[in-house]
Amino acid sequence: EPEVTQTPSHQVTQMGQEVILRCVPISNHLYFYWYRQILGQKVEFLVSFYNNEISEKSEIFDDQFSVERPDGSNFTLKIRSTKLEDSAMYFCASTGTLVNEQFFGPGTRLTVL
Amino acid sequence: SQKIEQNSEALNIQEGKTATLTCNYTNYSPAYLQWYRQDPGRGPVFLLLIRENEKEKRKERLKVTFDTTLKQSLFHITASQPADSATYLCALVGGGGNKLTFGTGTQLKVEL
Repeated sequence: EPEVTQTPSHQVTQMGQEVILRCVPISNHLYFYWYRQILGQKVEFLVSFYNNEISEKSEIFDDQFSVERPDGSNFTLKIRSTKLEDSAMYFCASTGTLVNEQFFGPGTRLTVL
Repeated sequence: SQKIEQNSEALNIQEGKTATLTCNYTNYSPAYLQWYRQDPGRGPVFLLLIRENEKEKRKERLKVTFDTTLKQSLFHITASQPADSATYLCALVGGGGNKLTFGTGTQLKVEL
């Protein structure tokens, strides 16, 4: 069964460093998303992406964040200068059509020291 | 502002009973609503979707209702099993890219 994959599973970085989180969505999906979940809190939307551009972004997704689909398979989230409060689990999701369910990856746990 | 509330307390039930989870929302008119299951340290897994013009949806032991007047959805698991123990998330769908806006989730524990 096709699934969304994410790498790395755990990333530890120093405050102020850049990180890139990688996702491989399901191959025939067209809509891509990033969410994050701070420990013990709810899953929060960051950004949606379709047709090589951002469809919508949340207030969390400020100038320090960017997304890219550099080739036909990868979807990346970059945080330019990490802060302590960026520590969270980051989930990538994809879907084939807007009315269907979203398929989530296993997540990348980001720890900023 | 938009608000989605789920039972904040954990729900403990006995195996074989029906679990009922509640999702209430305000300042929102979703076209549809989804329920997901999340296990510790894992990503959400889709369970059911219900549209605004549907009152009820079923899938095996799962049932979802959607009352747009009350702004509430109920999620039922019948004949519950210990394997059903997890956190259940209600998600409203909207926005240009059909983003999911999640509730805080309800932790369900099914005991033998």
